[in-house]
Amino acid sequence: SAVISQKPSRDICQRGTSLTIQCQVDSQVTMMFWYRQQPGQSLTLIATANQGSEATYESGFVIDKFPISRPNLTFSTLTVSNMSPEDSSIYLCSVAPFYGYTFGSGTRLTVV
Amino acid sequence: KQEVTQIPAALSVPEGENLVLNCSFTDSAIYNLQWFRQDPGKGLTSLLLIQSSQREQTSGRLNASLDKSSGRSTLYIAASQPGDSATYLCAVSLTGGGNKLTFGTGTQLKVEL
Repeated sequence: SAVISQKPSRDICQRGTSLTIQCQVDSQVTMMFWYRQQPGQSLTLIATANQGSEATYESGFVIDKFPISRPNLTFSTLTVSNMSPEDSSIYLCSVAPFYGYTFGSGTRLTVV
Repeated sequence: KQEVTQIPAALSVPEGENLVLNCSFTDSAIYNLQWFRQDPGKGLTSLLLIQSSQREQTSGRLNASLDKSSGRSTLYIAASQPGDSATYLCAVSLTGGGNKLTFGTGTQLKVEL
């Protein structure tokens, strides 16, 4: 199965600032997914990132708040912009090769 | 809109017990269903993936079943061990849904010595 390297693993940020999370996959994949897990909650899909096209955002998530880059088939970034304490969550990237889904280890974000 | 529910929300059992975790989903037009475990401070580990055409999958002490028509899946853990303590999540992808997963609410399992 694919192996994903996600960083940073955790960060504490000041409100109003931005944080960029990176995911590197050890093989080429068409789609990458970004999820958010708020405290005590399950995972919610933020957006789907395809190489060479704009990301597709789920209801409730907008590009200005969560811009995504996908420069090639093995790498993607998610930026959490103009952060507020409500953005404190775990953010995870994922890929879905035909043999199953793989997740990064997650980024635990705390906004103070 | 697909909704996925897991019962129970939390479970505490003594070591050695066999146990069943339940997952239900509202839209039966699923492409596949996957069970994950999540350990505190870590990402998700895939346990079992069941395609929509399959009825069950087995891996070691784990067995997952799927009943699409009734919108249900169960994860059976045999001879539970303290190392099985984690949160278990089921997730479904819809046919034509582009591999997007909808996650359940999770079952927090604690296996005690």
